[in-house]
Amino acid sequence: QSALTQPASVSGSPGQSITISCTGTSSDVGGYNYVSWYQQYPGKAPKLIIYEVTNRPSGVSNHFSGSKSGNTAFLTISGLQAEDEARYYCSSYTNRRGVVFGGGTKLTVV
Amino acid sequence: EVQLVESGGVGVQPGGSLRLSCAASGFMFDDYTMHWVRQGPGKGLEWVSLISWDGVRTYYADSVKGRFTISRDNRKNSLYLQMNNLRTEDTASYFCAKSLSGSGSVLESWGQGTLVTVSS
Repeated sequence: QSALTQPASVSGSPGQSITISCTGTSSDVGGYNYVSWYQQYPGKAPKLIIYEVTNRPSGVSNHFSGSKSGNTAFLTISGLQAEDEARYYCSSYTNRRGVVFGGGTKLTVV
Repeated sequence: EVQLVESGGVGVQPGGSLRLSCAASGFMFDDYTMHWVRQGPGKGLEWVSLISWDGVRTYYADSVKGRFTISRDNRKNSLYLQMNNLRTEDTASYFCAKSLSGSGSVLESWGQGTLVTVSS
């Protein structure tokens, strides 16, 4: 299973919006609406922030949003805050009945 | 509150074996698909394996297929990962994760991980 493709890093200023892309194939991202996004701080376990492309779990801030177009999914963080500085991973169900992750994107709030 | 506590991570030599455990509490364990995910030092997340609620269906990443075996004991609310023929590239923190109800590929809750080091 090849990893989904994410940019290694993105940055933004407080209050700005940023978007992280996650590119797969028709066997994963493009074929199913089972894209998730996870936030991870150093030394901590990942936390689910978006599932099934657009849904937010209870308790997750609405300044996180998700979307998809073709084989690429997107995570948008609006109104950037200092505490959003973390690494973000996408994942997708695959037609091989498993899960595949992206390589991760480090978000820096400058 | 959902709690997932991994254990069993230690140092082992290449070619060795190890069994990881994950103790679950705070939810109906036998209702959920469960996963193992690993993260090498300074690296990204890598999905390892999943097991259906009843233990009937199991799937593996190509990198561990034939060497690792996932299992569960619903009477003990426990998930396991038997790792054989370990390689240096298996060095990682191993997380167990609970799926979201109705979405087996969504990893809703995670443990804190247990570190496996494979080195001679």
